[in-house]
Amino acid sequence: DTGVSQDPRHKITKRGQNVTFRCDPISEHNRLYWYRQTLGQGPEFLTYFQNEAQLEKSRLLSDRFSAERPKGSFSTLEIQRTEQGDSAMYLCASRSQANTEAFFGQGTRLTVV
Amino acid sequence: KNEVEQSPQNLTAQEGEFITINCSYSVGISALHWLQQHPGGGIVSLFMLSSGKKKHGRLIATINIQEKHSSLHITASHPRDSAVYICAASFQGAQKLVFGQGTRLTINP
Repeated sequence: DTGVSQDPRHKITKRGQNVTFRCDPISEHNRLYWYRQTLGQGPEFLTYFQNEAQLEKSRLLSDRFSAERPKGSFSTLEIQRTEQGDSAMYLCASRSQANTEAFFGQGTRLTVV
Repeated sequence: KNEVEQSPQNLTAQEGEFITINCSYSVGISALHWLQQHPGGGIVSLFMLSSGKKKHGRLIATINIQEKHSSLHITASHPRDSAVYICAASFQGAQKLVFGQGTRLTINP
């Protein structure tokens, strides 16, 4: 296993377009997290899955954002009608249990122009 | 409110210096993570600790539960240590990590 992978690494989109990101966690990890990081700040929590169930969502996750993990393996994060304020690094992390080391992907850098 | 504060935000030092980065958190945690982020975004986990001290090579992480404080030390710093170092807390009863703002470390040759 090569760790957590995210696709694409970079995305430039025009304001108003929809974008979708993918995260493939480490295969035996049932916990998957999405975080968002803006320039000069630490990552902020967006949402958390345990297997296919989305158990927690941040208030940051407006109705334009939706995340899925349909088979409890990979996850997608979709942003509809993108805004310039959505420009950020979107990070995915996975871990096997609650109090274990978290493994992060390389992130997807979104630029909305 | 679950909060994590780091200091300093920026740190520049000469090669060979001993480096300390500090992290304070607001309430009880189940674990404290130290992470390293290089330009380009990838985050690597350095330590996860809930008590005492851990050492890996030139890196040392300590935590004082009573004072709600953790430190990351780098001995004999090297330019390749230049990166952003982030502490993150797993608060009791919560699944997510809460991150500090990060410390941008630059080691000059």
